[in-house]
Amino acid sequence: GDSVTQMEGPVTLSEEAFLTINCTYTATGYPSLFWYVQYPGEGLQLLLKATKADDKGSNKGFEATYRKETTSFHLEKGSVQVSDSAVYFCALSGRMDSSYKLIFGSGTRLLVRP
Amino acid sequence: GAGVSQSPSNKVTEKGKDVELRCDPISGHTALYWYRQSLGQGLEFLIYFQGNSAPDKSGLPSDRFSAERTGGSVSTLTIQRTQQEDSAVYLCASSLGASDFETQYFGPGTRLLVL
Repeated sequence: GDSVTQMEGPVTLSEEAFLTINCTYTATGYPSLFWYVQYPGEGLQLLLKATKADDKGSNKGFEATYRKETTSFHLEKGSVQVSDSAVYFCALSGRMDSSYKLIFGSGTRLLVRP
Repeated sequence: GAGVSQSPSNKVTEKGKDVELRCDPISGHTALYWYRQSLGQGLEFLIYFQGNSAPDKSGLPSDRFSAERTGGSVSTLTIQRTQQEDSAVYLCASSLGASDFETQYFGPGTRLLVL
């Protein structure tokens, strides 16, 4: 079945460092790909998405490119801030049936230190 | 506008009791999803409703779990005879449906603790 694998955390960075969180997927067909973020004590928020190969999703300085050849959707940010500390989830939309349910990775906790 | 709301925000219950969790989707959203977030299993899909179609119940972990969606809006997730392994955060999400099924907006969740 469809699945998402993302790098284990926690990832600890200093402010203004470059961030990469790796995400790879296994899917039949052509899923849409998402990054969701969960700030401490808050619910899941959509960060960015890409619906087809070579699309780049971007938001709040974060970017991810849908790479079909490597089945990847790595999240990047050029300069992280303390306020970016959160748990990041990679997900795909399982369009192989009609429900469009999301299949999530295990989450990666990011801690940014001043 | 108002987002997805869920109630209660926290629920503590004793093993064997029934619980009901409520979700109010964003107005105008025709698709509604329930997920469960637990330490051992991560984020798991439970059930999906779309309009008047039969729900996709493929993610429900046992027959103790059921859900309803009345009038195409509010949904209730019921867990009967709760077990300790049911302890988790239960998340509800909604999406526009026909014009955008895939972008799901999540509520704050209900944290369930079964003692």
